[in-house]
This record gives sequence, C-alpha cells and structure tokens, in this order.
Amino acid sequence: KQEVTQIPAALSVPEGENLVLNCSFTDSAIYNLQWFRQDPGKGLTSLLLIQSSQREQTSGRLNASLDKSSGRSTLYIAASQPGDSATYLCAVGVGSSTLGRLYFGRGTQLTVWP
Amino acid sequence: NAGVTQTPKFRILKIGQSMTLQCTQDMNHNYMYWYRQDPGMGLKLIYYSVGAGITDKGEVPNGYNVSRSTTEDFPLRLELAAPSQTSVYFCASSSPLRQGTDTQYFGPGTRLTVL
Repeated sequence: KQEVTQIPAALSVPEGENLVLNCSFTDSAIYNLQWFRQDPGKGLTSLLLIQSSQREQTSGRLNASLDKSSGRSTLYIAASQPGDSATYLCAVGVGSSTLGRLYFGRGTQLTVWP
Repeated sequence: NAGVTQTPKFRILKIGQSMTLQCTQDMNHNYMYWYRQDPGMGLKLIYYSVGAGITDKGEVPNGYNVSRSTTEDFPLRLELAAPSQTSVYFCASSSPLRQGTDTQYFGPGTRLTVL
C-alpha cells in the first residue's frame, strides 16, 4: 500500500526566506505527483502537477521536483510571503491509465510571519 | 463557473441518524470523488465515479453509499451515523485527458460531527 510522508509537519519562518517542503512515498509506481494548498476551512487548490516522466514543474515562486527512483519530491518556495501561510499537501497518483487514485500525505503547516 | 459546490457546510448528527452530503460540479467533468479528512491527517478516498451510473469503492467505503445518476451530481449517503464518521468531507472532480495530466478540483468541504 502506498504511504506518503511529509516533513516537516509544521514550519514557521520570517517573510522573505526561501524554504523547502519534503514529500516521500513508498511505491515508485506512480503516474503523477501533485502539490496542493489548503487554507483553513477551505478546500484544496492544486499548485503543481508533475507527470511521472517529468523531473520538475515551476509556477511563479514555486518549484516542485520529483525523483521517482528514490521516492521523493520537494516543493521549493522562493521569497516567502505571509500570504503563503497555509497547509501544503502532497499527493501521489497511483492506478491505471483510465483512473488514478490520489494518496495524500498529512501535510506541512506553513506560517510565514512579517 | 461555480466549480465544485458542496452542501451543507456544517452538520451535527446524533448517533444512528442518516444524512446525504450533496456535491455538484458544473465543469462537465466525468470523474468525481469523495474524500474524508480527519484532524491532522491526509485525505482518504471513500468512493469515486468515472461517469453517470458507474461508482466504485475507495480506501474507506464502510458506512457510506453513493449514486451517480447525472454527470453533475454525486451525493454521499451516511445511513447510520457513528462517532468515527466525524470528519471533514471533500468532493472533487476531474476530467483526465490522458494518463498523467489529471488535476482534481475540490469543493470547500462539509464539516460533520456525530455525537
């Protein structure tokens, strides 16, 4: 069974810092990996999706990398801002070409203070 | 587009009561999902559907039922509520064009407490 682990569980940094969130998974037979953002009391918003054949994806100040062979992904946030405060969830897609299921980690709760 | 909408936002049930959580999407997505998120945990898949009339179990289906009579709606039914079903429930939808490009769009969630 796929297990997804996220480290650290919580992170508190001052504004402007560059930071790295880590995600690891036990089964490398994935077809994609996604990073989501979750604000308190809200649903999830997809940030980046990396296909299994890709090594990284970038969107603005966010960069996500994927190393399937080692079962790891990192989310890099450059020049963090208070508005980045949220919980970040990593999810791996497992399954067939017609339907993939997402397995989620517990998330990293990020606080960026001014 | 409203995206994925869920009702109600909050609900308190007594043990043994029944209820239906509603989910509607207006993006013409053929895939829909129900997840639950317990405090401090990741999301776990309850049921999913790949199209109208087709549903299947996820990781944690016990105590729940679903139906999919239209593309837009995917209600989740709790028949005999138990305290273990206290959780936040998320509905999601997607329209995978090909393997590896599936992005799921989530509703705002329903916070359910069973006392």
